[in-house]
Amino acid sequence: AAGVIQSPRHLIKEKRETATLKCYPIPRHDTVYWYQQGPGQDPQFLISFYEKMQSDKGSIPDRFSAQQFSDYHSELNMSSLELGDSALYFCASSMGLLKNIQYFGAGTRLSVL
Amino acid sequence: AQKITQTQPGMFVQEKEAVTLDCTYDTSDPSYGLFWYKQPSSGEMIFLIYQGSYDQQNATEGRYSLNFQKARKSANLVISASQLGDSAMYFCAMREGLSGGSNYKLTFGKGTLLTVNP
Repeated sequence: AAGVIQSPRHLIKEKRETATLKCYPIPRHDTVYWYQQGPGQDPQFLISFYEKMQSDKGSIPDRFSAQQFSDYHSELNMSSLELGDSALYFCASSMGLLKNIQYFGAGTRLSVL
Repeated sequence: AQKITQTQPGMFVQEKEAVTLDCTYDTSDPSYGLFWYKQPSSGEMIFLIYQGSYDQQNATEGRYSLNFQKARKSANLVISASQLGDSAMYFCAMREGLSGGSNYKLTFGKGTLLTVNP
């Protein structure tokens, strides 16, 4: 069965650079979520989209922005990167509003040097 | 206050034995969902099992079962017949606001690192 696809899997950036993370949800899933997991931490919710509209927002820095496109894929744009942005970034997708189990991608490991 | 509490930072179990990972939660929302995810050392987050607050029976998925005690606000994961491949970090998570609200995010506990010994 198709899973959530995230690219790239690994990304190395310098401070103050920008990064774009991509997420392709499971086919027919209409909701996408982004989470950030720091080293040794639990995942923290950043932002979500339902039917291409932002549905909820968590502790996402103003330097980050995200959107969901007409084909339901999503991109997380991160600017002015800081050392503290080094983390594992997960995208998850779900279908519908009832028992919407969130299936996670393999994550993008971002290292800011 | 923590919405999800996992009191066991680490657990050890012998291969083929059963193990229970504890999870308690805190919510005033009558409609919520509880999830368990497995995160191996490779980093991916794997969905294991789901329990809805209105589900009458405890959820089961193969070797995984969820011991749901609503009055105690606990949702412990039971893994039967442990295998070496079960060694991983296990996260309990909750989603509130299933009653038509827009709050679909998951809130995670700190996790329990399970080690299965041969």
